[in-house]
Amino acid sequence: SQQGEEDPQALSIQEGENATMNCSYKTSINNLQWYRQNSGRGLVHLILIRSNEREKHSGRLRVTLDTSKKSSSLLITASRAADTASYFCATLKYTGNQFYFGTGTSLTVIP
Amino acid sequence: SQTIHQWPATLVQPVGSPLSLECTVEGTSNPNLYWYRQAAGRGLQLLFYSVGIGQISSEVPQNLSASRPQDRQFILSSKKLLLSDSGFYLCAWSGTTSGPQHFGDGTRLSIL
Repeated sequence: SQQGEEDPQALSIQEGENATMNCSYKTSINNLQWYRQNSGRGLVHLILIRSNEREKHSGRLRVTLDTSKKSSSLLITASRAADTASYFCATLKYTGNQFYFGTGTSLTVIP
Repeated sequence: SQTIHQWPATLVQPVGSPLSLECTVEGTSNPNLYWYRQAAGRGLQLLFYSVGIGQISSEVPQNLSASRPQDRQFILSSKKLLLSDSGFYLCAWSGTTSGPQHFGDGTRLSIL
């Protein structure tokens, strides 16, 4: 299937450390997006990277995309306890019009 | 600014009962609308999406249906709920098919 897979499934770090999450997918994509979900809430869009981009920054977030390896990574620098959440990647097929979400990485930042 | 409303937040229904979940968007016109289901600890499964009034695409065969009676209203329905319909249902909208999606706060559906 098109669905992305995040790795690791769960990650626990100390406040101030960096957190890296990876996403792999299977088919050619138009773009890839990262979302955050606090427990019991809806998803919040974080960042979008197009298939012709290799790296994008937004505040403490850094996203890379390697289309040859069909993978992306999300780096959160100087993590805070408030970053505790699940993070999902979503891919849009190049010829499609719907997104496929991965299974998510559960991040816990310990104060 | 645009907002999305989804209700109810929590719902407990007996097996075999009907279902109607409503989602409305404010502050934008002709949005793309989506219904997702999220099983506990899992990713999102796209159920339905709509690019316009009366235009519904279904991603997976199931016990559910969707309707879009108005431009900014998206309804998820079932005539007879199954135990397997339990989950967290999320509505979302986007301005373009490739752009960011904006989610409601979801409905936690429990089937007894």
